[in-house]
Amino acid sequence: DVKVTQSSRYLVKRTGEKVFLECVQDMDHENMFWYRQDPGLGLRLIYFSYDVKMKEKGDIPEGYSVSREKKERFSLILESASTNQTSMYLCASSFWTGWGYTFGSGTRLTVV
Amino acid sequence: EDKVVQSPLSLVVHEGDTVTLNCSYEVTNFRSLLWYKQEKKAPTFLFMLTSSGIEKKSGRLSSILDKKELFSILNITATQTGDSAVYLCAVEAANFGNEKLTFGTGTRLTIIP
Repeated sequence: DVKVTQSSRYLVKRTGEKVFLECVQDMDHENMFWYRQDPGLGLRLIYFSYDVKMKEKGDIPEGYSVSREKKERFSLILESASTNQTSMYLCASSFWTGWGYTFGSGTRLTVV
Repeated sequence: EDKVVQSPLSLVVHEGDTVTLNCSYEVTNFRSLLWYKQEKKAPTFLFMLTSSGIEKKSGRLSSILDKKELFSILNITATQTGDSAVYLCAVEAANFGNEKLTFGTGTRLTIIP
C-alpha cells in the first residue's frame, strides 16, 4: 500500500513563527499536493508539484511556500505563521491525477 | 473558476435508511468526477466517474454521473453506523498536463443506531 506520511498530527505554534510541515511518500509518485481543510470551505489546494524542484501555485498560495528537493518529500512552509492559518493540512500524492490520489493523515495546526 | 457544490451540507438518518448525496459542478475541460469518504483522518477513494449514465457500484454504495446536467449522485442503501463520515466530491479538469482536483465542501452524514 502507498503510504503518505505527515510528520506531525498536531502542532501548536506562535504567531510570527516559521513553520515547516513535512510530507513523505514511498511509492515514487511524481505528483504531490498540499491542501488545507476548513469547516464549510472543503479542501482547498495550496501548492502542488509535478517533479523535483518544480512547484505550482494552487488556489490559495498566499502566506505559504513549498520545497521539493527530493522526489519523495514535499514540504509546506509558513514563513510567518498567522492565526488565520490555523487549519487541518493534508498532503497527497499521485502517480497520475485523480484516481491515484493518496492522502496523508493530516496535520492539525493551531497558531496562537 | 472551477466550482463544485455538494448538498446537503449535513444529513442525519437512522440505520437502515437509504441516502442520496448530490454533487453539481462547473468546470472547464471536465475530465473525471471522484467521490471520497473521510472519517477521522484522510479521505479514501470511493469512485471515479468519467462517462454519463454508467453506474459504478461497490457493495451498498453506488454512483452515477450526468455530464449533460453536470451533476453526480452517491447512493448508500441500508446505511450502517460505519457509514458515518464526510463524503467529498471532487472534479478533475484537464489543464495542459497540470490537471488538479477541485473539491466540494463535503456532506457530513451521521447514521443513528
